[in-house]
Amino acid sequence: EPEVTQTPSHQVTQMGQEVILRCVPISNHLYFYWYRQILGQKVEFLVSFYNNEISEKSEIFDDQFSVERPDGSNFTLKIRSTKLEDSAMYFCASSGDGGNQPQHFGDGTRLSIL
Amino acid sequence: GDSVTQMEGPVTLSEEAFLTINCTYTATGYPSLFWYVQYPGEGLQLLLKATKADDKGSNKGFEATYRKETTSFHLEKGSVQVSDSAVYFCALIYDSWGKLQFGAGTQVVVTP
Repeated sequence: EPEVTQTPSHQVTQMGQEVILRCVPISNHLYFYWYRQILGQKVEFLVSFYNNEISEKSEIFDDQFSVERPDGSNFTLKIRSTKLEDSAMYFCASSGDGGNQPQHFGDGTRLSIL
Repeated sequence: GDSVTQMEGPVTLSEEAFLTINCTYTATGYPSLFWYVQYPGEGLQLLLKATKADDKGSNKGFEATYRKETTSFHLEKGSVQVSDSAVYFCALIYDSWGKLQFGAGTQVVVTP
């Protein structure tokens, strides 16, 4: 069964540094998402992406965050200047048809900010 | 706004016991409802879904029925196994972009 893959599985970064989290969605999917889960808390929506632009974003997704689909296969989340509170598990997801089909998730990237 | 409330864990059960995890939602209109499962060290996996009232989703012995009148989507399994130990998340999608809203998650621990 096709999978969403995320790299790296664990990223350790100094506060203030930029970090890029990478995702390869399922190849024929059109809708892409990032979520995060701070340790012990619920999974929170960050952003959805369709047709090469952001379709929806949450309050968490401020100017420090950006997403990009640089080629036909990768989908990246960039945090420009990381803060301690950005430490979390970040999940990428994709679906074939927005709200009409379930999302498939990657195994996540654990981001640790020191 | 839209939200999902699910029972707090951890829920500890013996193998072959009956499992119920309560989930209720608030939403304007008729969202699609989902249960996702997160095994230790892994990502979120779709367990089952229901897209309209009275739909029953089922998978791997788990079931949940979309109850519009009680705005609920309770997860049940008749006989749990140790391998069912995981965190279970109830979630809804309301908009066309597919933004998932999750409940807080319920940890289930099944002992031999």
